[in-house]
Amino acid sequence: GQQVMQIPQYQHVQEGEDFTTYCNSSTTLSNIQWYKQRPGGHPVFLIQLVKSGEVKKQKRLTFQFGEAKKNSSLHITATQTTDVGTYFCAAYYGGSQGNLIFGKGTKLSVKP
Amino acid sequence: NAGVTQTPKFQVLKTGQSMTLQCAQDMNHEYMSWYRQDPGMGLRLIHYSVGAGITDQGEVPNGYNVSRSTTEDFPLRLLSAAPSQTSVYFCASSIDRVGSPLHFGNGTRLTVT
Repeated sequence: GQQVMQIPQYQHVQEGEDFTTYCNSSTTLSNIQWYKQRPGGHPVFLIQLVKSGEVKKQKRLTFQFGEAKKNSSLHITATQTTDVGTYFCAAYYGGSQGNLIFGKGTKLSVKP
Repeated sequence: NAGVTQTPKFQVLKTGQSMTLQCAQDMNHEYMSWYRQDPGMGLRLIHYSVGAGITDQGEVPNGYNVSRSTTEDFPLRLLSAAPSQTSVYFCASSIDRVGSPLHFGNGTRLTVT
């Protein structure tokens, strides 16, 4: 089946540093979504990217969708302790693969 | 709106026991799904449903059954629990199957001894 690779698996940063997680697919995506899961919590939808080269911002978070629609990134500027959690990308391929395929997630820890 | 409600929050089973994890949503969503989350494995799809009366298998369906008799409810049944089924289980729904964002329940932490 389809797979989406997400890196890094873990990231430890000092508060105020930037953070980026990447997702890559070997085939073209219909859309990609990003979710955040706080420790002990459930995944919460952040954003959906649909168009080639799309860039969306939510305060300190910037989401990008590659020109070929095979990769995506989430960048957090000046991390805060409230950013702690695991960030997942979820790929939608469409067609016969009509379910979201989740990456394994990047666990972010922030040292105050 | 309560969103997606899962019960119980925690459960301990002995090997061989059966149980049902409950999931209900009040958003009139057509698509519902069950995921399991294990350390380092991300979220893996167990079963899903695109509407009442329709279910299908996901990536890791063995040992689990589902049914969808109503739009609101999508229970997950463990037929004969095994230690390998120790995991956190999430129910999720979306308005449709066409890549729409998922709304997750709070999860059920299951331990099989």
